[in-house]
Amino acid sequence: GESVGLHLPTLSVQEGDNSIINCAYSNSASDYFIWYKQESGKGPQFIIDIRSNMDKRQGQRVTVLLNKTVKHLSLQIAATQPGDSAVYFCAERAGAGGTSYGKLTFGQGTILTVHP
Amino acid sequence: KAGVTQTPRYLIKTRGQQVTLSCSPISGHRSVSWYQQTPGQGLQFLFEYFSETQRNKGNFPGRFSGRQFSNSRSEMNVSTLELGDSALYLCASSRLLTDTQYFGPGTRLTVL
Repeated sequence: GESVGLHLPTLSVQEGDNSIINCAYSNSASDYFIWYKQESGKGPQFIIDIRSNMDKRQGQRVTVLLNKTVKHLSLQIAATQPGDSAVYFCAERAGAGGTSYGKLTFGQGTILTVHP
Repeated sequence: KAGVTQTPRYLIKTRGQQVTLSCSPISGHRSVSWYQQTPGQGLQFLFEYFSETQRNKGNFPGRFSGRQFSNSRSEMNVSTLELGDSALYLCASSRLLTDTQYFGPGTRLTVL
């Protein structure tokens, strides 16, 4: 299909907690996955990416996990802060050789709210 | 290094008019992609340009078009505007087609 996920779920956490945002993708031919954060009135901001030859990748306070068997992607944010409140999008890109090479297909997003 | 810039940031048009939006990529980036973002449909891919050639196109009517110039700057045009074209139009640039895409702030288009 053309979209990853159909709804806009919400996640509410307390400051200092760890957050986990999940994403199910649709195309088994996708070889690149990326997480973006979008704050109100701004464009999506790159957080972290992962290629299909990896299962896990860590950044600063963030970890992305990829499970290709069940086509599932997750973003873990450690010690969540109020500044992390935003909409988080996962996106996938089909691999080389396909007609969609280079094109990102986005999920509908998850609203993360962090309470002080 | 300066980020992706988009102009104008806000635009109000009436049905039937046409509009041109501009995007300047990050210096050194040769690929520019355009997306439409609406509350109902989320982020949807419009088209992608690399070295002045359209490499990929999304499922949008022919009223939506774009181009890329030799300096990698890109424009998109929407003709015969409809109410449903009201959206945030986002531009993203990357060094190559397969690299990480970095987004600009978007142009908020309102069609009355």
